[in-house]
Amino acid sequence: DVKVTQSSRYLVKRTGEKVFLECVQDMDHENMFWYRQDPGLGLRLIYFSYDVKMKEKGDIPEGYSVSREKKERFSLILESASTNQTSMYLCASSIRPKGYGYTFGSGTRLTVV
Amino acid sequence: GQNIDQPTEMTATEGAIVQINCTYQTSGFNGLFWYQQHAGEAPTFLSYNVLDGLEEKGRFSSFLSRSKGYSYLLLKELQMKDSASYLCAVRGSGNTGKLIFGQGTTLQVKP
Repeated sequence: DVKVTQSSRYLVKRTGEKVFLECVQDMDHENMFWYRQDPGLGLRLIYFSYDVKMKEKGDIPEGYSVSREKKERFSLILESASTNQTSMYLCASSIRPKGYGYTFGSGTRLTVV
Repeated sequence: GQNIDQPTEMTATEGAIVQINCTYQTSGFNGLFWYQQHAGEAPTFLSYNVLDGLEEKGRFSSFLSRSKGYSYLLLKELQMKDSASYLCAVRGSGNTGKLIFGQGTTLQVKP
């Protein structure tokens, strides 16, 4: 069964901490994505990657960075966590160029206090 | 700009039919997706349309009109387990496969 795995289901971090959210897929997909999901705002794209070591900004990249050193792993980094980054974070992957949509991970509910 | 609109909330009765609409304005079009998301869970794929017309899959159908920038998801014989959010998403131009999502429609099915 193909899978996208996010390392943590729930996280609580303090303001100012550096936070790492990990995502691993076992489908050999080229494309990987990080979204955040907030009530009334839907899914908003933070960053995506279409190949190893390649990354592109999405719609809301401020305060975030990413790393893709291996094809199967895409990490989201909050350089200095703030309370407005409290959200549900969803990782997804897809085949390039025209895959059949996304496969999502189960999500990480991050609370910054 | 790019915009995808869908109603925020809908309510329907068990056994009934409900139609969830989605209108979009995007730069480029390479397909429209519908996802189902139960509370606290990840979205799961429901349907994909790239050509005009109706795609049927069991109790769920999805329709696309590219000229109108319009799609709908039709759910028949509603069941309580269909209570969920339904996300409309459009894949734009380019080969990265990036999807743009609407805010989602929360459907509540009542007995």
